[in-house]
Amino acid sequence: GAVVSQHPSWVICKSGTSVKIECRSLDFQATTMFWYRQFPKQSLMLMATSNEGSKATYEQGVEKDKFLINHASLTLSTLTVTSAHPEDSSFYICSAPASTGSQETQYFGPGTRLLVL
Amino acid sequence: QQQVKQSPQSLIVQKGGISIINCAYENTAFDYFPWYQQFPGKGPALLIAIRPDVSEKKEGRFTISFNKSAKQFSLHIMDSQPGDSATYFCAARGGTGGFKTIFGAGTRLFVKA
Repeated sequence: GAVVSQHPSWVICKSGTSVKIECRSLDFQATTMFWYRQFPKQSLMLMATSNEGSKATYEQGVEKDKFLINHASLTLSTLTVTSAHPEDSSFYICSAPASTGSQETQYFGPGTRLLVL
Repeated sequence: QQQVKQSPQSLIVQKGGISIINCAYENTAFDYFPWYQQFPGKGPALLIAIRPDVSEKKEGRFTISFNKSAKQFSLHIMDSQPGDSATYFCAARGGTGGFKTIFGAGTRLFVKA
């Protein structure tokens, strides 16, 4: 199946710094990617839809100035957590749809664990 | 309208038993209902999915039952194994949301050896 990678897999940073997370579709092109956040023992909450060549679409309650999304190419989307604070500590997961046979399937990355001290 | 409700929150099943997880949705525009399996520290992986024009889909030990009129669907894991111990999420997408996938709250399954 299609593969989505994320980098880094985990990151620890100081409060107030910015952290960039990359999401790549390795063997297919994705004009759209999605960013999710998952707190411990909770479900995945959609943060935003990343669109290649245009602005990202953010879900209600997600600060677009804090979570900057750039869909630089058909295989790369980046999420930058600006001025990170401890409450931003979470598991961030991206996904991208790809065609497999007759249907399109959503493939998820392995996630990036962020810890803000 | 966008919610997907999932139960139970946690489930303990004996090895060889049947695990059943239930979900209900509200948005009738949803047209694709996947189930994901997630192990700790990993991203979710697609397990099986169904479209509303089918009432049941089986892949190996995993079966989805779909009741369109009740807006409910369920996952059955037959002959549950300790290796099945994970968190399972039902999800839904479609309508004006396109590929946006809405997840249920998740069910933590533990299969006792």
